[in-house]
Amino acid sequence: DAGVIQSPRHEVTEMGQEVTLRCKPISGHDYLFWYRQTMMRGLELLIYFNNNVPIDDSGMPEDRFSAKMPNASFSTLKIQPSEPRDSAVYFCASSPYAGTEAEQFFGPGTRLTVL
Amino acid sequence: GNSVTQMEGPVTLSEEAFLTINCTYTATGYPSLFWYVQYPGEGLQLLLKATKADDKGSNKGFEATYRKETTSFHLEKGSVQVSDSAVYFCALSDNTDKLIFGTGTRLQVFP
Repeated sequence: DAGVIQSPRHEVTEMGQEVTLRCKPISGHDYLFWYRQTMMRGLELLIYFNNNVPIDDSGMPEDRFSAKMPNASFSTLKIQPSEPRDSAVYFCASSPYAGTEAEQFFGPGTRLTVL
Repeated sequence: GNSVTQMEGPVTLSEEAFLTINCTYTATGYPSLFWYVQYPGEGLQLLLKATKADDKGSNKGFEATYRKETTSFHLEKGSVQVSDSAVYFCALSDNTDKLIFGTGTRLQVFP
């Protein structure tokens, strides 16, 4: 398997623009997680899905952020409008099942810079 | 709530030195414990895990033992290599579907 695929790997945009980050989870994995990593706040869980349904979006910072999972092989994280403080590395991860022993498999991340 | 505390980095070592990265946790119930590693420019990947008290996880020469009495899961390696330079994250999984990560500890190994 190719692992979790994220695109783009790098995104540079200007404040106010819409940004869409994409993720393809590992085939057969029922869980998908979106994280944000910054120096100041470390690794934060933004939202996660089970079988394409959002389960917990309590980590989404504000209404400018939205995430969708229209099918089992694709998810997007959208920021509209983007702000400089959104600059971070965004990771997508997937997991085959729930439970305390479940491993999460991470993608390579998208480095977002908002000017 | 549940939380993970890791030692501050960076940890700087010479090649072949002994490594310890401390991790303690706060949790109700019986969580599973994990160490993830992030190499430069990459995503996190699982290094090792332990699912119950006194379990020892091991991989690539790294070890960590689940100590319930001290609520700890310290990462150790007897002889580090330059290629071990990375950021190491301790994490726990409780009764939810989520992982709770520590802040990460950067390890730098010099030849």
